[in-house]
Amino acid sequence: DAGITQSPRHKVTETGTPVTLRCHQTENHRYMYWYRQDPGHGLRLIHYSYGVKDTDKGEVSDGYSVSRSKTEDFLLTLESATSSQTSVYFCAIRDIQDGYTFGSGTRLTVV
Amino acid sequence: DAKTTQPNSMESNEEEPVHLPCNHSTISGTDYIHWYRQLPSQGPEYVIHGLTSNVNNRMASLAIAEDRKSSTLILHRATLRDAAVYYCILRDNNAGNMLTFGGGTRLMVKP
Repeated sequence: DAGITQSPRHKVTETGTPVTLRCHQTENHRYMYWYRQDPGHGLRLIHYSYGVKDTDKGEVSDGYSVSRSKTEDFLLTLESATSSQTSVYFCAIRDIQDGYTFGSGTRLTVV
Repeated sequence: DAKTTQPNSMESNEEEPVHLPCNHSTISGTDYIHWYRQLPSQGPEYVIHGLTSNVNNRMASLAIAEDRKSSTLILHRATLRDAAVYYCILRDNNAGNMLTFGGGTRLMVKP
């Protein structure tokens, strides 16, 4: 299994503050993804990356930006957090065998 | 995007086989059929995937209809730990290799 870690695991922040979530992988996989999951819903894609400095928008990208300056790190930034961005955020990588490995998630609460 | 249709929920008895259906009538020739499951408070976990032929691994079997418009995930002997939400997903090779999640099937396993 690819090593994938998300940090922080939990965060509470105030409306209007910037927040950055980190996804770190240990096996140099090319594709990385950020999803959000809200109660009673499946996961929705926010942004994805297909290489260093190569990123693209997903289904729900408004209010989010991403950066990938190194293969191993994919950062998700909320420039100015809003209550509607309270959610659980999952990072994923696509591995060599074509399966996808997900991180344990970051629970973000915007108050 | 091609979409999938799954029952909202299913029940099974422990130690019995479970057949989880998925309809994907608009599947294209380049779509891979992926199955993931999500246990409570965890990220999604890869189960199995295939293109045209039936597939087996240590977790499950995937039976794909000859016309590819439907598939069935087979858990050969359900355990209490198999209680989860199971997602059937079509992955488009030509669209960033992203996974687009639907609502999934909540599988309940009775002892």
